[in-house]
Amino acid sequence: EAQVTQNPRYLITVTGKKLTVTCSQNMNHEYMSWYRQDPGLGLRQIYYSMNVEVTDKGDVPEGYKVSRKEKRNFPLILESPSPNQTSLYFCASSFTTGGENEQYFGPGTRLTVT
Amino acid sequence: AQKVTQAQTEISVVEKEDVTLDCVYETRDTTYYLFWYKQPPSGELVFLIRRNSFDEQNEISGRYSWNFQKSTSSFNFTITASQVVDSAVYFCALNGGGTSYGKLTFGQGTILTVHP
Repeated sequence: EAQVTQNPRYLITVTGKKLTVTCSQNMNHEYMSWYRQDPGLGLRQIYYSMNVEVTDKGDVPEGYKVSRKEKRNFPLILESPSPNQTSLYFCASSFTTGGENEQYFGPGTRLTVT
Repeated sequence: AQKVTQAQTEISVVEKEDVTLDCVYETRDTTYYLFWYKQPPSGELVFLIRRNSFDEQNEISGRYSWNFQKSTSSFNFTITASQVVDSAVYFCALNGGGTSYGKLTFGQGTILTVHP
């Protein structure tokens, strides 16, 4: 089954404790990205990757890092989480960047930073 | 810069009423794609429709219909005879083609509550 998986689905952590949210897709997609969802703001792109070893900032990259060492994986790293990073996070992937390609979203990771 | 505006923050209707969710967008791209997603209480994003900028035909899928009007930069979504299961957050989104590098620009979302 074609899917994007994220782990963990729920995470409560404390300020400053480094964490990684994993994202994996099994569709051989070149393009992957991360979004955060906040009430009243919709979803905003954090980082994206057009292929292995090619990543770039989205609209809200501050406080986040990513890497793309393998095509299928695109982890999101919070090196020193702060309460303003409490949010719902979605990973997405598509065959290419073109809008004609459907973007597949993961199930979401709800992060709380206290 | 691209922008999507969903002016309705929350809508509340009674079952069987028709409801229209508004979406207005801004882009300088001549080729672009518009989307609607549904987010039920369980939290996942469910893809509903994609429309490219060259196809202004309205679309109907069961109780759902979409009205794309390029002249007013709008892509509105109508649910006919709403049901309780339609209660969700609905997002309109725009992919502006090559210049957006795959990014979806989302509206703020409209919370739809359908009461029995």
